[in-house]
Order: sequence, then C-alpha cells, then structure tokens
Amino acid sequence: QLVLTQSPSASASLGASVKLTCTLSSGHSSYTIAWHQQQPEKGPRFLMNLNSDGSHSKGDGIPDRFSGSSSGAERYLTISSLQSEDEADYYCQTWGTGIRVFGGGTKLTVL
Amino acid sequence: QVQLVQSGAEVKTPGASVKVSCKASGYTFTSYGISWVRQAPGQGLEWMGWISAYNGNTNYAQKLQGRVTMTTDTSTGTAYMELRSLRSDDTAVYYCARDNKLAPGSAFDYWGQGALVTVSS
Repeated sequence: QLVLTQSPSASASLGASVKLTCTLSSGHSSYTIAWHQQQPEKGPRFLMNLNSDGSHSKGDGIPDRFSGSSSGAERYLTISSLQSEDEADYYCQTWGTGIRVFGGGTKLTVL
Repeated sequence: QVQLVQSGAEVKTPGASVKVSCKASGYTFTSYGISWVRQAPGQGLEWMGWISAYNGNTNYAQKLQGRVTMTTDTSTGTAYMELRSLRSDDTAVYYCARDNKLAPGSAFDYWGQGALVTVSS
C-alpha cells in the first residue's frame, strides 16, 4: 500500500535552516514525490518535484532557499534562511496507477 | 500564465448535490488532466479523483465511488466535479489541480483557489 509519512510538526528560528522529511512506504522507495506549501488561510502551492536520486525541479517563482534531496525511501525538503512567511503546512504527494496520495502534512513554526 | 479558476462558495442541505467548476487557462487543456482534492476544516489534503482532459478517463478514490462524477468540457477548458448525497462531513474546501493526462499521474503543479462547500441543515 502506497503511504507517505510526515512528522506532524517542526520548528526552527528565523534565519536558520530546517529539513522536513517525507517517508515512502515499504516497496515504494523509487517513487518521485512532490512538495506543496500551504500558508495559513491559503490554498496549496507547488514547490517542487523530487526524484529518488535527489534531482528536483521547482515550480514557478520558488526561491533558491527551497531545495530537495533523497535517501532511500526518505524525501527531504530543506528551507534555508527561514523567513516568517515560511510558517506554513507542508505536504508531500505521490502517485501510482489509479491513485494519488498525500502525506499528513508537517506544520512548520518559525520562532 | 497557467490559471485554474474555480466557482464560488456553496451551501447545501444534507442529501443534496453540488457541482464545482474549474476553468483552466494559459495552457492546452487537453494536454493535461485535472485532479480534485478536498480539505475538511483543520484537516489535511484528501485526493478525490482524477480526470484526463485528453481522453476523459477517470479514477475515483474508493471512499467516494458511486457519489462523485468528474467531467470536462474541452470546448471551454473547464473541469467539473459533482458530489451527490451530501453529508455534513463533506463540508470542506474543494480544490482542482493540474495533473497528468495519462496514468499513472504526476505532481500537481498548479492549483485552483478553492471552493468552500458547506453542508448544513
């Protein structure tokens, strides 16, 4: 069964870096995922496509502060030089034949 | 630029139906598909289903099978999602998102602004 697992919350200080994790279920470690950001009271915004080899392609206008990497079944989103507007929910998403799956989301607090 | 513009908020009574539209612009509509995603108050994102604007093929989430229908009008570049037999737990913001035109799917690279559907007696 295709499942994505995310920690419910994370926090980091203004100007620091944070690394969020999305874990693919067993047998699905080669899957590509996407990261999406949802700021408070707004709709989701596509951040990037992230492949199993760590290569990624970002959406329109996504700053260089956002980057992705991979290791085995884990997919990471790193945000550097944290700004107040980065405080948001972050969702990973993947897909298979006939199905699309979201992780439960990580709520990022910028201290 | 790519835009997905959705219809407005709706209030429905239990047992009724709702139809939400999603008008695409800035790209060739039939070269992609549309997925529908909903978000109940305070909850995460839930995928509802997908339709290919290329050939009309659909996939629906198992829990919504029989209650949801997704269609497209290629002449206007508009996708529609109809949900029937509404219950209070269908209260949510409904989003459309651009997806692949063929299986197995892709990242949702553009999103609509969302449409709030409230189900209440």
